[in-house]
Amino acid sequence: GAVVSQHPSWVICKSGTSVKIECRSLDFQATTMFWYRQFPKQSLMLMATSNEGSKATYEQGVEKDKFLINHASLTLSTLTVTSAHPEDSSFYICSARPDQNTEAFFGQGTRLTVV
Amino acid sequence: GENVEQHPSTLSVQEGDSAVIKCTYSDSASNYFPWYKQELGKRPQLIIDIRSNVGEKKDQRIAVTLNKTAKHFSLHITETQPEDSAVYFCAASKNFGNEKLTFGTGTRLTIIP
Repeated sequence: GAVVSQHPSWVICKSGTSVKIECRSLDFQATTMFWYRQFPKQSLMLMATSNEGSKATYEQGVEKDKFLINHASLTLSTLTVTSAHPEDSSFYICSARPDQNTEAFFGQGTRLTVV
Repeated sequence: GENVEQHPSTLSVQEGDSAVIKCTYSDSASNYFPWYKQELGKRPQLIIDIRSNVGEKKDQRIAVTLNKTAKHFSLHITETQPEDSAVYFCAASKNFGNEKLTFGTGTRLTIIP
């Protein structure tokens, strides 16, 4: 199947700093990518839809100024957690589809710990 | 927006027995229903999916049924094995294209040897 790669796999940062997470589609182009957040023992909650060349669409309750999304190319979307706080500690996962007739593939996830 | 409920939250079955996980959805416009298996700390992996134009789909020991009228769909795993132990998520979306997936709350399945 198609490959979606996330980097880094895990990161520890200090409160108040910013962290950038990359999501790459390695063998296909993705005009749309999705960013999810998953707290321990909970489900995947969609944060935003990343659209290549245009602004991301954020879900209700997700602060767009805190979670900056950039989708500058057809193979890369980035999520930047700005001014991170301990409550932002979570598992962040991206997904993308090669085309409209195929399944969504997920990145391996990024475990963010804010101390 | 779409709301997906999933039951049970935990399920333990003896190896070799069957496991059934059920989900309901609220948006009648949803027409694509995938099931994902997620092992601890890893990415979700698609195990089976169904579109609204069919009522049942089977792949070896895994099957999914869909009742559009009642807006519910179920995952059936037969002849369970220890490696089936994981968290399973159902999801729903409209159109099969670049539409967002709304996930259920997950079911932690434990297979007892």
